[in-house]
Amino acid sequence: SAVISQKPSRDICQRGTSLTIQCQVDSQVTMMFWYRQQPGQSLTLIATANQGSEATYESGFVIDKFPISRPNLTFSTLTVSNMSPEDSSIYLCSALIGGTNYGYTFGSGTRLTVV
Amino acid sequence: AQSVTQLGSHVSVSEGALVLLRCNYSSSVPPYLFWYVQYPNQGLQLLLKYTSAATLVKGINGFEAEFKKSETSFHLTKPSAHMSDAAEYFCAVSDDPGSARQLTFGSGTQLTVLP
Repeated sequence: SAVISQKPSRDICQRGTSLTIQCQVDSQVTMMFWYRQQPGQSLTLIATANQGSEATYESGFVIDKFPISRPNLTFSTLTVSNMSPEDSSIYLCSALIGGTNYGYTFGSGTRLTVV
Repeated sequence: AQSVTQLGSHVSVSEGALVLLRCNYSSSVPPYLFWYVQYPNQGLQLLLKYTSAATLVKGINGFEAEFKKSETSFHLTKPSAHMSDAAEYFCAVSDDPGSARQLTFGSGTQLTVLP
């Protein structure tokens, strides 16, 4: 099945700055997603990353705060903009794998701490 | 809209005892169901999945789950717990081949294995 390389694995950032997280899949995938996991909580979908067009955001998430790019079928980035301590979370990317190995694979996550 | 309910945010079992983690779902279309495990400071690992084939699904590490449409359940079991099973477990539902094809996660169950 597909493997996702996500980086950075962790970072400590100053409030007001931005961080870009990258995910690279080792095969072409039709759909990629970005999730947030706040401390001690489950995963919440931020957006679906659409290849060559604007991402589709879930309620409560906006493009100005979480701009997403997906220039091709194997790569996507999520930027957390103008960060505040409330943005401290784990951010995970995911890809939907079709075919006989149908399922969702996840990156190892980016643990973000905003100080 | 789809949703997942995991009963019991914390479950403790003795080593060698039966593990039972409960998951109930709600979906407007035949669902695809997944169980993931998350070890501390790591990403998500797929344990098993139901995608409309056999209702009893066997996964990795000795886990299995049974899809029961009449009960809208997909409980995760393992006959004999091992210390290495201590982790957070997430049940998730997808309405694929629906339009969104995104995963919706339950709130998670923290499994503790007692010596």
